[in-house]
Amino acid sequence: AQSVTQLDSQVPVFEEAPVELRCNYSSSVSVYLFWYVQYPNQGLQLLLKYLSGSTLVESINGFEAEFNKSQTSFHLRKPSVHISDTAEYFCAVSGQGGSEKLVFGKGTKLTVNP
Amino acid sequence: DAGVIQSPRHEVTEMGQEVTLRCKPISGHNSLFWYRQTMMRGLELLIYFNNNVPIDDSGMPEDRFSAKMPNASFSTLKIQPSEPRDSAVYFCASSGRGSSYNEQFFGPGTRLTVL
Repeated sequence: AQSVTQLDSQVPVFEEAPVELRCNYSSSVSVYLFWYVQYPNQGLQLLLKYLSGSTLVESINGFEAEFNKSQTSFHLRKPSVHISDTAEYFCAVSGQGGSEKLVFGKGTKLTVNP
Repeated sequence: DAGVIQSPRHEVTEMGQEVTLRCKPISGHNSLFWYRQTMMRGLELLIYFNNNVPIDDSGMPEDRFSAKMPNASFSTLKIQPSEPRDSAVYFCASSGRGSSYNEQFFGPGTRLTVL
């Protein structure tokens, strides 16, 4: 079984500041890792994913996440945030080759202030 | 593609009434998931289907909840009788056949309020 811990429930930052949203996971098997974003009153959308290969993955809107197997982490970063990045971010994990279930963290609400 | 379609988008009902939530997955997808989101508990998986067959319903809270998938293009989640603590946003998601990973595509959700 897998589990996900998102240590910060809320992260307030100023516009153009860097941000890191932390995610740690637990699993007895190899994993796929995902970050989803939920804008107000909408469903979740996939932001980026790690399947295999390069441990650094990027999204089209400037976010990146790095898979660190030794630390069982998949932290999300952006060097300069915009007001439009205000949303809730969910980290999720799935075991490779097994159940299709995604196990989600409890989410981190990112608020970007002017 | 229209994406995952859910109806209704909002539902307000009184305690004791039956509630039916509907979902149409993305065409060609063979797995369907029902989630519930609340402030207190976050995002919880209720049940998921693969090829229309329920695979894991361990997240279904109690017998008042039931889900069906009569065909590849339609699923329902029913609550009978409804209670105020069932108030939440219910999401449906689907994932595709043949993927080497488990990306799920979410619908816009149904916001349920039980008075």
